[in-house]
Amino acid sequence: EGQLVESGGGLVQPGGSLRLSCAASEFTFSSYAMSWVRQAPGKGLEWVSTLSGTGASTYYADSVKGRFTISRDNSKNTLYLQMNSLGAEDTAIYYCAKDPYMTPAQYFDCWGQGTLVTVSS
Amino acid sequence: DIQMTQFPSTLSASVGDRVTITCRASQNIYTWLAWYQQKPGKAPTVLIYKASTLQSGVPSRFSGSGSGTEFTLTISSLQPDDFATYYCQQYHSYSRTFGQGTKVEIK
Repeated sequence: EGQLVESGGGLVQPGGSLRLSCAASEFTFSSYAMSWVRQAPGKGLEWVSTLSGTGASTYYADSVKGRFTISRDNSKNTLYLQMNSLGAEDTAIYYCAKDPYMTPAQYFDCWGQGTLVTVSS
Repeated sequence: DIQMTQFPSTLSASVGDRVTITCRASQNIYTWLAWYQQKPGKAPTVLIYKASTLQSGVPSRFSGSGSGTEFTLTISSLQPDDFATYYCQQYHSYSRTFGQGTKVEIK
């Protein structure tokens, strides 16, 4: 199924920006849609964004649309999430997750360990 | 967005018990439903997809059923490793949504 390792989380002030990365290995990265899913402390799971295997199609939750940008570099087997205009409501563990197929809108068959983003002054 | 309502939110059970968790969708999602298990401090792992297909490597005591708007996850005989939080997730639409989770606790 593969391995996913997130990085880039940390403490950021309200209104600030952060870029998360997800390094993929042990599978053909370009063949699969990839997503970000987040989990606020003590809360449930929230899908954030998905990018098709080719990078041609992107999808965002309404809560992040216009502020977050998902991208990928298939030559580096890496998924990114650029997060701008961050607010306290964005505080969460951010998981990178793999779809089981190239086309998006599926379940998630592989997850990273997560990276914590804390938005606070 | 499609809303997913999961119940109960907490379930107390003993080792060996048969456990059932229910997930209800706000509209017809056919069988585009997955179930996940999440242990404290860990990422979720998929147990079942397409409502009833067991993910490779998942013990056969886990089973899923349902279609349309009503779905169930059943653990036939609860084991110590199964105490965790379980989530359903619909993938009928690109805007995927999760249930709020069911925490299975030791009775």
